[in-house]
Amino acid sequence: DIQMTQSPASLSASLGETVTIECRVSEDIYSNLAWYQQKPGNSPQLLIYDANSLADGVPSRFSGSGSGTQYFLKINSLQSEDVASYFCQQYNNYPWTFGGGTKLELK
Amino acid sequence: EVQLVESGGGLVQPGRSLKLSCVASGFTFSDSGMNWIRQAPGKGLEWVAYISSGSSYIYYAETVKGRFTISRDNAKNTLYLQMTSLRSEDTALYYCARRSYFTHFFDYWGQGVLVTVSS
Repeated sequence: DIQMTQSPASLSASLGETVTIECRVSEDIYSNLAWYQQKPGNSPQLLIYDANSLADGVPSRFSGSGSGTQYFLKINSLQSEDVASYFCQQYNNYPWTFGGGTKLELK
Repeated sequence: EVQLVESGGGLVQPGRSLKLSCVASGFTFSDSGMNWIRQAPGKGLEWVAYISSGSSYIYYAETVKGRFTISRDNAKNTLYLQMTSLRSEDTALYYCARRSYFTHFFDYWGQGVLVTVSS
């Protein structure tokens, strides 16, 4: 199975700050990577697919980048509603696997 | 508006069975691959099972293979997960999630249903 390692596991940032979350993958997944946001008490929602494509309705302050085995989720100008956990997921190979998550809190 | 509504969860003893349902609306269910994904309390996400639109392709995670069965009824817009020989480690919030039309990420998720396996 493809292993997904997210870092950091938790993150504290101030309003207006820019934050970056990394997802490292055990083998090349050719940008077949998605990012999800899970707000407290809610189900996950798709943010980014194909490593850098924004899902419908997602604010432009979110962006994805990377290739090969290293991918990033960047949030510009952090807002209070961005407090959530973030998960990466690869869909290059079955079984589809997720990173362990990054919990983002406000400082 | 796409809606996925799970039901059928609850408290069950180890070794027993439980069947989850997910009713879909707001899209053409019979055209969509569907998944079950679970999340143990306070933990990350684990993909559990997938079924293609016409039930021709079915895949399971190794952790549930041989114990769980995914199925669907396109006439009823409903996805199912039959769980047998349940273990404490199956305790989780179970989500149904739609496969994107393009490839295997999950573009819509239900609100989840809690399954607790305990004596």
